[in-house]
Amino acid sequence: DQQVKQNSPSLSVQEGRISILNCDYTNSMFDYFLWYKKYPAEGPTFLISISSIKDKNEDGRFTVFLNKSAKHLSLHIVPSQPGDSAVYFCAASVGTYKYIFGTGTRLKVLA
Amino acid sequence: GAVVSQHPSWVICKSGTSVKIECRSLDFQATTMFWYRQFPKQSLMLMATSNEGSKATYEQGVEKDKFLINHASLTLSTLTVTSAHPEDSSFYICSANRDRDEKLFFGSGTQLSVL
Repeated sequence: DQQVKQNSPSLSVQEGRISILNCDYTNSMFDYFLWYKKYPAEGPTFLISISSIKDKNEDGRFTVFLNKSAKHLSLHIVPSQPGDSAVYFCAASVGTYKYIFGTGTRLKVLA
Repeated sequence: GAVVSQHPSWVICKSGTSVKIECRSLDFQATTMFWYRQFPKQSLMLMATSNEGSKATYEQGVEKDKFLINHASLTLSTLTVTSAHPEDSSFYICSANRDRDEKLFFGSGTQLSVL
């Protein structure tokens, strides 16, 4: 049972345009969400987080939106840059302890 | 700050041997460390949660005797893959929590190839 799903395995976007990565979850008890970026053969690096008491969090080019009723969150990257090309994982937890990761979306930003 | 060091980054071993992977928090004390495994093009699968000074908590389906975890200090956790077989070949990643921080800090991962 995949509690956190990223239904798009890959996404290609032109440099300068907006990248939107989506994540759906099934467990309504999840109250904290993270986005990570991962390059091949490296550990994930933290991008941005959001708690369930908010519906939006912004950090520079990265914005995360949370729709609790739809059990959906999305990561917006604008403007997209070639260096953003990586695999992006969303993760969810109950109480910021044990995180469940999605399957990842491979983003390719075309120059 | 919040650097997690993981060694080795890459290991090739013969079937039947054991491999130890180290995970260290370099500039903070990690009361909890997590071990993940990732197969190609798949998600990070949590294997176990490691607390300093106590036995690790394993996720369903993960063999305790196969994947030995030791969290001897607040800065070091080790994962030993015992009697490794080709199906154990995978990318193993550790992560750590620090107090009052909701994020996980990840090591750089270990690519294990069992021949």
